[in-house]
Amino acid sequence: SQQGEEDPQALSIQEGENATMNCSYKTSINNLQWYRQNSGRGLVHLILIRSNEREKHSGRLRVTLDTSKKSSSLLITASRAADTASYFCATDKEGGSEKLVFGKGTKLTVNP
Amino acid sequence: DGGITQSPKYLFRKEGQNVTLSCEQNLNHDAMYWYRQDPGQGLRLIYYSQIVNDFQKGDIAEGYSVSREKKESFPLTVTSAQKNPTAFYLCASSPRQGVDYEQYFGPGTRLTVT
Repeated sequence: SQQGEEDPQALSIQEGENATMNCSYKTSINNLQWYRQNSGRGLVHLILIRSNEREKHSGRLRVTLDTSKKSSSLLITASRAADTASYFCATDKEGGSEKLVFGKGTKLTVNP
Repeated sequence: DGGITQSPKYLFRKEGQNVTLSCEQNLNHDAMYWYRQDPGQGLRLIYYSQIVNDFQKGDIAEGYSVSREKKESFPLTVTSAQKNPTAFYLCASSPRQGVDYEQYFGPGTRLTVT
């Protein structure tokens, strides 16, 4: 069954704007990971945030985790055309199962 | 360069034929995974292996088989029993099996069966 669900399904913005994607999940988790996939390519790991963390940064990426709301957000600041990709969250299948389950992703388009 | 390689990038087969997809890693990772991705969908786990000579079924193992005879290699066979084999197949590895580790992905193989 689906654990993480991204929202929105698609997002189109202009270069320089910020992009925010959300991920909601159903059961308690150990951690949550975000991945990027360029069209027709493999996934690339972006950030892992643990259940006892609230926020993590990596360059222009900021990830937050709210375990009370069972949700996470990925913020990309000052977006570039090269950020155009699909973004997936991945969580434990059911808290503690030791297998990752991926959502269906948010397709981000950054227009130059 | 360290990483994961998958070959071929595109594969075409006739219905009823078995086909084997290659996955090799030189990252010295213990765990390896096979996922299937359909258009507009997330990844679904087919099989995974925690260590050499051991592998476990994922969520959609029916119609697929794997082997793990070497640490570096985890080939996936799509058998004729798989009812809808056309998809994008991704191989991944991680230092150990478990949700605490990031997964490293190969470039994928797009299989088309007609």
